[in-house]
Amino acid sequence: KQEVTQIPAALSVPEGENLVLNCSFTDSAIYNLQWFRQDPGKGLTSLLLIQSSQREQTSGRLNASLDKSSGRSTLYIAASQPGDSATYLCAVSKNAGGTSYGKLTFGQGTILTVHP
Amino acid sequence: SQTIHQWPATLVQPVGSPLSLECTVEGTSNPNLYWYRQAAGRGLQLLFYSVGIGQISSEVPQNLSASRPQDRQFILSSKKLLLSDSGFYLCAWTGGYGYGYTFGSGTRLTVV
Repeated sequence: KQEVTQIPAALSVPEGENLVLNCSFTDSAIYNLQWFRQDPGKGLTSLLLIQSSQREQTSGRLNASLDKSSGRSTLYIAASQPGDSATYLCAVSKNAGGTSYGKLTFGQGTILTVHP
Repeated sequence: SQTIHQWPATLVQPVGSPLSLECTVEGTSNPNLYWYRQAAGRGLQLLFYSVGIGQISSEVPQNLSASRPQDRQFILSSKKLLLSDSGFYLCAWTGGYGYGYTFGSGTRLTVV
């Protein structure tokens, strides 16, 4: 059974800091890894998608890396802003087969607070 | 472009009442569709997924059911709600392997 762990559970930083969110997963037979952002009471917004054959993806101030063999991904946020405050979720999708068909397994999330 | 719509945004229902939540996707065909639930202080749990019309797979036995009457429509239902059905329900779709998942805006269900 796939398990996804995110560290830290919560993070509070001053504006302007560079920060790293960590995600680990127990089963390396993944198809994709996706990072999401969730604002309070809202749905999930996709930030970055890394396919299993890729090592990293970048979008603006965000950079996500994937080391499938070690079961780890990191989300790097450069020059953090108060608007980055949200819960960040890491999710992996498994290869085909049975009840695991195309489903996402989520971590518990990292609650990020960026204060001015 | 593809969009996903989910409604209603919030719902307060008494115990024992029925439930119907609807999700539709636009701009794509034959999507894989999913219903997730996020209970307070807990992670996201996959409830149902569908790879085609009339094809529903359940991940967790519970008081809920799902249906897919049309290619881009996914419905979550219950005949009699329980207090434990309260939570934040999210619909999602993907174009298949190699594609990311897109989530709807969610429905906040409170059973009283």
